[in-house]
Amino acid sequence: SQQGEEDPQALSIQEGENATMNCSYKTSINNLQWYRQNSGRGLVHLILIRSNEREKHSGRLRVTLDTSKKSSSLLITASRAADTASYFCATDRNNAGNMLTFGGGTRLMVKP
Amino acid sequence: SAVISQKPSRDICQRGTSLTIQCQVDSQVTMMFWYRQQPGQSLTLIATANQGSEATYESGFVIDKFPISRPNLTFSTLTVSNMSPEDSSIYLCSVQGSGWGHPYEQYFGPGTRLTVT
Repeated sequence: SQQGEEDPQALSIQEGENATMNCSYKTSINNLQWYRQNSGRGLVHLILIRSNEREKHSGRLRVTLDTSKKSSSLLITASRAADTASYFCATDRNNAGNMLTFGGGTRLMVKP
Repeated sequence: SAVISQKPSRDICQRGTSLTIQCQVDSQVTMMFWYRQQPGQSLTLIATANQGSEATYESGFVIDKFPISRPNLTFSTLTVSNMSPEDSSIYLCSVQGSGWGHPYEQYFGPGTRLTVT
């Protein structure tokens, strides 16, 4: 089974609203990463948070990590129609941090 | 970050045939990875390909079905052999950041959309 599970599976919001996506995982990790995928294309790396970090920001993105609950959240503030995409969390399974296990993903629709 | 290209971008193939997917990186990288994304699903790691050694396959994936080559530090191929409709997926290669990025970040190619009829 997949390491990460994400909720919601689908999210529809209006432009300008905030979008929050959650990810849970099962085993200990070194890092957790978030990716975006537009319409079945390649993945774009958004942000990486280390296991000893609790929060990280990048532009309109805010990621939190709670290792005690084995969960992470991705917040997109002031969403835009261009943010419409699928968002995946990914955790590493080894100390090299390169063998990723992906969550099921959240399909975000931002309506103009 | 690295620029990663894949060929073909998409293909429609008949069952029983094989397709070789190419992945080219504009920087030398030690490790390359191949993922499969079935329709509407998330990504699953198929194998890890290091230059100069045999690929390491994940549970559920075997070399006879998905042979991989890694002839140099910038190139890899994945062959989907004896295809069936269940192999219809997007196949993506990725590389790990090294020097030009965070060492734990992975960068993905645009993917190859395969449809098997």
